[in-house]
Parts: sequence; structure tokens; C-alpha cells
Amino acid sequence: NAGVTQTPKFQVLKTGQSMTLQCAQDMNHEYMSWYRQDPGMGLRLIHYSVGAGITDQGEVPNGYNVSRSTTEDFPLRLLSAAPSQTSVYFCASSQPVSYNSPLHFGNGTRLTVT
Amino acid sequence: DAKTTQPNSMESNEEEPVHLPCNHSTISGTDYIHWYRQLPSQGPEYVIHGLTSNVNNRMASLAIAEDRKSSTLILHRATLRDAAVYYCILEDISNFGNEKLTFGTGTRLTIIP
Repeated sequence: NAGVTQTPKFQVLKTGQSMTLQCAQDMNHEYMSWYRQDPGMGLRLIHYSVGAGITDQGEVPNGYNVSRSTTEDFPLRLLSAAPSQTSVYFCASSQPVSYNSPLHFGNGTRLTVT
Repeated sequence: DAKTTQPNSMESNEEEPVHLPCNHSTISGTDYIHWYRQLPSQGPEYVIHGLTSNVNNRMASLAIAEDRKSSTLILHRATLRDAAVYYCILEDISNFGNEKLTFGTGTRLTIIP
């Protein structure tokens, strides 16, 4: 039972480079979301999706794009990386609140932008 | 949005109970109280949640004040593996889902062997 899988675990980028952080879940969850965590801070929501084909912005969406073409996958794209995007990124999934289902998190991608 | 207040850090001895407090004086009637924890180098994991009544599960107990303005997460017998950052979060049940939980800085729990 894999749960939420994030790849890669570590990534180093140069300023201006682009990349995609992958997130996949095998629990058939409708909801998926991306958070970033900076040192000494809590998690901040970047983007979220309530189902395939539906995405919306969170608290800190600038510099990131998302799409949700399938229920299982929710990739996060950095089009032009900046040092301010150095952070640990967490993907999460869940069912609707009516299912009384908690958030399930992946183990994160640690991104460094130089 | 209703906010929570937690101590920055706490220490507890191994094999003793731990009471982690959380104040949420502006809680609304439709806010669930969630607790998550984050072990070192891992993503957060769900611990417990409740609305009005006290709740128990295999990991912990959640005691909710009668006026709901505070709650306490209780770890009945702390182990070294319980050393983590514990987050107390409010989520409005009228929201479509809990994909938008707001995580503060939490309480860093240190377990002393």
C-alpha cells in the first residue's frame, strides 16, 4: 500500500531552470494538494484540486503551475526556478470531509535553487 | 479564519503521559479540531480529530473543553518515537473538503529518555 508517492526526494536547480515535482496516490482520493515548508515555519498551501480537471490556488501560488488530468496524479511545475523557491515540498491527498478522511502526506521533495 | 495557539516547545519523560494544549478562542460551531504530527524528515501524519466530544484512538486521546475554546492532545505513554512537531488545526466542516488545512508552527515535543 504505497499511499502518496513523491518524486524526486531531492533536487538541485539553477535559477531559471524548470522542473516538475511528481505526486501520485493510489487511494482513489478526490482531493490533492501541494504545500511548501520553509525552515522554522509551518506548511503553506500552494495549490489544491478537488477532482480531476479542477484546480485552485492556495496561499502561495505564484511561480507554480498545476494540472489534474487523472485522479491519481497531481504534478507541480516550476516554470522558472528562483532561490526563494528553495523549500521542502509536500503533496497530500484526502477524501471529502463527509468521509471523515484525514489528509495523507508524502515524504516530501527537498528542492534547492542556486 | 479561526486560529490556534500552541506552545512552541515541550519536554516530557519517556513512558509518562504528555498533555499538549491548544487554544482556539475564536472557534466557530462548525470547526473541527484536527491534530497532526510531523516526525523528523517526514510529511505530517494524522493523529486525531473531533468536533465536540472527547475522542480516543490507538494513537492518542483528544480532550475538548466544554466551551470548545481549548483542547488537549493526550499521549498516554510517551515513547522516543513520539518526538515530533504537533500541529493543532481548525477546519470548517462546511468547507468542501479538508484539502486546505492551515498549519501553524506547532509544538515541538522532545522526549527525554
